[in-house]
Amino acid sequence: EAQVTQNPRYLITVTGKKLTVTCSQNMNHEYMSWYRQDPGLGLRQIYYSMNVEVTDKGDVPEGYKVSRKEKRNFPLILESPSPNQTSLYFCASSLASGSGETQYFGPGTRLLVL
Amino acid sequence: AQTVTQSQPEMSVQEAETVTLSCTYDTSESNYYLFWYKQPPSRQMILVIRQEAYKQQNATENRFSVNFQKAAKSFSLKISDSQLGDTAMYFCAFMRGREYGNKLVFGAGTILRVKS
Repeated sequence: EAQVTQNPRYLITVTGKKLTVTCSQNMNHEYMSWYRQDPGLGLRQIYYSMNVEVTDKGDVPEGYKVSRKEKRNFPLILESPSPNQTSLYFCASSLASGSGETQYFGPGTRLLVL
Repeated sequence: AQTVTQSQPEMSVQEAETVTLSCTYDTSESNYYLFWYKQPPSRQMILVIRQEAYKQQNATENRFSVNFQKAAKSFSLKISDSQLGDTAMYFCAFMRGREYGNKLVFGAGTILRVKS
């Protein structure tokens, strides 16, 4: 089944404890992206990747890191999580990096930082 | 900055009726893309419909159709014959292009409740 997977789906952690949220797609998609969803704000882009080893900042990159060493994986790293990073996180991918490609979303990861 | 406004925080509709969700956006670009995504209680983001700004014809997908008014920068979603499974949060989203990272800019969402 073609899909974007994220792990973990739920995570409770404490301030300052490094964590990684994994994202993997099995569709050979070129483009991948991370968004966070907060009430009243919709979804906002954190980072994106046009292809392997090519990443760039979105609108809210502070406090996050990403890497794209393989085409299928795009992990999101929080080096020192803070309570304001409590949110619902989505990974998304699209077949190509051309303009207007539809992005398909993973199931989401709910993160609570205490 | 590009912005997307969904002016209806919540709406309700009777099963089998028709409902229209509003979306306006702000941009100076002439070529861009618009999307409606559905988020049911499971929180999964599901594509409903996609529209390319350079196409005048309104996109349709089964019971879902859009009214795209480029001059007015309006992109409303019409759901016909509403079903209980349509109950969800609906997000309108705007995308410029590759040179802007294919970033989706989302509105705040509209909660739609379909009543039996």
